[in-house]
Amino acid sequence: EIVLTQSPGTLSLSPGERATLSCRASQSVTSTYLAWYQQKPGQAPRLLIYGASSRATGIPDRFSGSGSGTDFTLTISRLEPEDFAVYYCQLYHSSPTWTFGQGTKVEIK
Amino acid sequence: QVQLVQSGAEVKKPGASVKVSCQASGYTFTSYGITWVRQAPGQGLEWMGWISAYKGNTNYAQKVQDRVSLTTDTSTSTAYMELRSLRSDDTAVYYCARLKVDPHYSGNGYLYSYYFDYWGQGTLVTVSS
Repeated sequence: EIVLTQSPGTLSLSPGERATLSCRASQSVTSTYLAWYQQKPGQAPRLLIYGASSRATGIPDRFSGSGSGTDFTLTISRLEPEDFAVYYCQLYHSSPTWTFGQGTKVEIK
Repeated sequence: QVQLVQSGAEVKKPGASVKVSCQASGYTFTSYGITWVRQAPGQGLEWMGWISAYKGNTNYAQKVQDRVSLTTDTSTSTAYMELRSLRSDDTAVYYCARLKVDPHYSGNGYLYSYYFDYWGQGTLVTVSS
């Protein structure tokens, strides 16, 4: 089973700063199978990025995804107050099944 | 607009069963799959299972496969998740989500992305004696 490991666990930054979140797979994966979600307290997750680098409908262009093989990155170019949340990466496997990373919390410094 | 509306919170005793509904609107129900994801208090997201709303095919996470059943009622565009033999560690918010399958053509043929583009609001299931 492929495991997704996200780092760091918590990222403390100020509004306007750049956030770089990592998602590492335990073995090489197809990049089109990798997605990112944002979750705020008391809310359902929200799709941000699919296919490793494609922004979902309505997602601001300050969010970008990149990576291939085992290493994937979600970048928020300039943090807005509404971006402080928990972010999860997700991987599709055949069968079909899905795996989530454990999440990275982006908090206000 | 696409909406997934889930049933309300439940409190169950250990050993009981719970059935959560997820009513879809704003799209052709049978054109997309439905997945279920749960989140224990203060924890991350855990995928539980998938159902094809078209054919009724299912696949379940190993952790719950002996206790979970996913079904759909196409006449009402509603998906259901039933979890049996409830334990205290099943206490969680349960989400349904629509599965989007997105093809892109590359030089060597089609590649596909599989992701959850719309989510229900969540249903809290509390298991307590």
